[in-house]
Amino acid sequence: AQRVTQPEKLLSVFKGAPVELKCNYSYSGSPELFWYVQYSRQRLQLLLRHISRESIKGFTADLNKGETSFHLKKPFAQEEDSAMYYCALKFGNTGKLIFGQGTTLQVKP
Amino acid sequence: EPEVTQTPSHQVTQMGQEVILRCVPISNHLYFYWYRQILGQKVEFLVSFYNNEISEKSEIFDDQFSVERPDGSNFTLKIRSTKLEDSAMYFCASSTELAGYNEQFFGPGTRLTVL
Repeated sequence: AQRVTQPEKLLSVFKGAPVELKCNYSYSGSPELFWYVQYSRQRLQLLLRHISRESIKGFTADLNKGETSFHLKKPFAQEEDSAMYYCALKFGNTGKLIFGQGTTLQVKP
Repeated sequence: EPEVTQTPSHQVTQMGQEVILRCVPISNHLYFYWYRQILGQKVEFLVSFYNNEISEKSEIFDDQFSVERPDGSNFTLKIRSTKLEDSAMYFCASSTELAGYNEQFFGPGTRLTVL
């Protein structure tokens, strides 16, 4: 069955430290993966998608098909990065998203 | 920049009552979705809607739930007889296309509390 797993509920780091938010997926087809972010009292918004291979707000994510992972990384965390991060897999003919449980990133000053 | 809007932001209802959650998707979008998030749990897909009909629904979306797009702009989720376990945050989303890595734009959510 299709599944997205984010093993950490909370990740707490100091400002300037590297960050890696883990995401693993289970899907037999070719995955379409996304990272969504939800800042405090704001809506879910797209952070990045794996096909773009872009860096948004200093974040990157690489798809590793061998390890079925799509971890989100940033070399130097900023306080404004504090938010809830969701990894999502787009699946099926209707474009529905399957979300992981989410990881709260807390960046301390 | 256009946004998905949802009303109300918070709805409190008694068990057994009907509720209607409203969404206004972005105007040129064609694909519409409802998701829900029970407190402390993951965001779960409920239903997708295209061309005035349901294209997919999850096992959560039973006969108590229905969706419609009554006037070409609103997209509503109705729960006929609410249960305590329907208490959750309900998110509406829309997108322009299905194909590829097309982004889904989310509304701010409606918090439903069933007493």
